[in-house]
Amino acid sequence: EPEVTQTPSHQVTQMGQEVILRCVPISNHLYFYWYRQILGQKVEFLVSFYNNEISEKSEIFDDQFSVERPDGSNFTLKIRSTKLEDSAMYFCASSLGGGSTDTQYFGPGTRLTVL
Amino acid sequence: AQKVTQAQTEISVVEKEDVTLDCVYETRDTTYYLFWYKQPPSGELVFLIRRNSFDEQNEISGRYSWNFQKSTSSFNFTITASQVVDSAVYFCALRSGDTGRRALTFGSGTRLQVQP
Repeated sequence: EPEVTQTPSHQVTQMGQEVILRCVPISNHLYFYWYRQILGQKVEFLVSFYNNEISEKSEIFDDQFSVERPDGSNFTLKIRSTKLEDSAMYFCASSLGGGSTDTQYFGPGTRLTVL
Repeated sequence: AQKVTQAQTEISVVEKEDVTLDCVYETRDTTYYLFWYKQPPSGELVFLIRRNSFDEQNEISGRYSWNFQKSTSSFNFTITASQVVDSAVYFCALRSGDTGRRALTFGSGTRLQVQP
């Protein structure tokens, strides 16, 4: 069964460094998403991406974040200058699109630790 | 604004007991979608079910059943004859029916512990 994959599973970085989190969505899906989950808290939406552009973003997704689909398979989240509060689990998701049948399937997550 | 409330922070049951996880939502949309996801200790988010606002038919899938009631804005999830493998955090989520707004709004989750 197709699934969303994410790399790395765990990333440790120093405050102020740039990190890139990578995702391979399900191959025929058209919509891509990033969410984050601070330890022990709820899952929060960051951004959605469709047709090579951002279709929706939350207040969390400020100028230090960016997303890109550099080729036909990968979808990346870049954090330019990491802060301690960026430490969280970052989930990538993808969905086929459509209306009533649209379901987001999540990857296993990347745990980001900022020191 | 959309909101999902899962008032039960943690539930502990003994194996084979039935357990119901509550979810109450708020939205101004006339069309919307509701979801349940499971997060086992390994951390991934596993899709369990989707319900459309225009379909109030309740559903049973094996040991799982869902009760959607628009009148009370609730979408509760019941596990019958719980098993240790059901131990996880369960999240209820809401999505607008507007095709331009696909963000999922999650509740804070209910941690279910099933004791052997």
